[in-house]
Amino acid sequence: SQQGEEDPQALSIQEGENATMNCSYKTSINNLQWYRQNSGRGLVHLILIRSNEREKHSGRLRVTLDTSKKSSSLLITASRAADTASYFCATGTSGTYKYIFGTGTRLKVLA
Amino acid sequence: NAGVTQTPKFQVLKTGQSMTLQCAQDMNHEYMSWYRQDPGMGLRLIHYSVGAGITDQGEVPNGYNVSRSTTEDFPLRLLSAAPSQTSVYFCASRTGTEWGEKLFFGSGTQLSVL
Repeated sequence: SQQGEEDPQALSIQEGENATMNCSYKTSINNLQWYRQNSGRGLVHLILIRSNEREKHSGRLRVTLDTSKKSSSLLITASRAADTASYFCATGTSGTYKYIFGTGTRLKVLA
Repeated sequence: NAGVTQTPKFQVLKTGQSMTLQCAQDMNHEYMSWYRQDPGMGLRLIHYSVGAGITDQGEVPNGYNVSRSTTEDFPLRLLSAAPSQTSVYFCASRTGTEWGEKLFFGSGTQLSVL
């Protein structure tokens, strides 16, 4: 399987704390994207980082990419109860048009 | 804005039955794809299309057929449903066929095969 893996599988934190989740992948990539899924709903795009970038910010989100280790991390700062969701990374496989998703991290933010 | 529309939202089939999951997008996106989501497995790519008349296989294509006769529609056909196809199915589309474009997802079809 080409799937990436995310860790932790589940994360529970208090409101106001930071949440960090990691994604590892197996193949060379053009870019890596993070998506959010609220329970029972479709995925929503959060942020994209290209293979020649090391860090990117968007509001309370910070994404890093280490292509030498084939890994990425997503940091959500000052978390809110509304951030409770599952988070997935997706990689673009070089030479194809496929997006491959990781197994996801379930984040629970306690009020 | 409709975006990506999937129908039906829920479906129960008996083993051996066939059915078509519908996906339509109104954003003039060239790229469309189907994923299935199973607990602990994340999303797995079934089939994708980079334009009308062009389709290709993803990670788990067996048991599924697709066609793309128009830019807007990308139906997924289950030829002979099996319990292993019980899953939540998502259709996703994006503009262009170059890298760096985000996917837009439908709200999903929950399928149970008895």
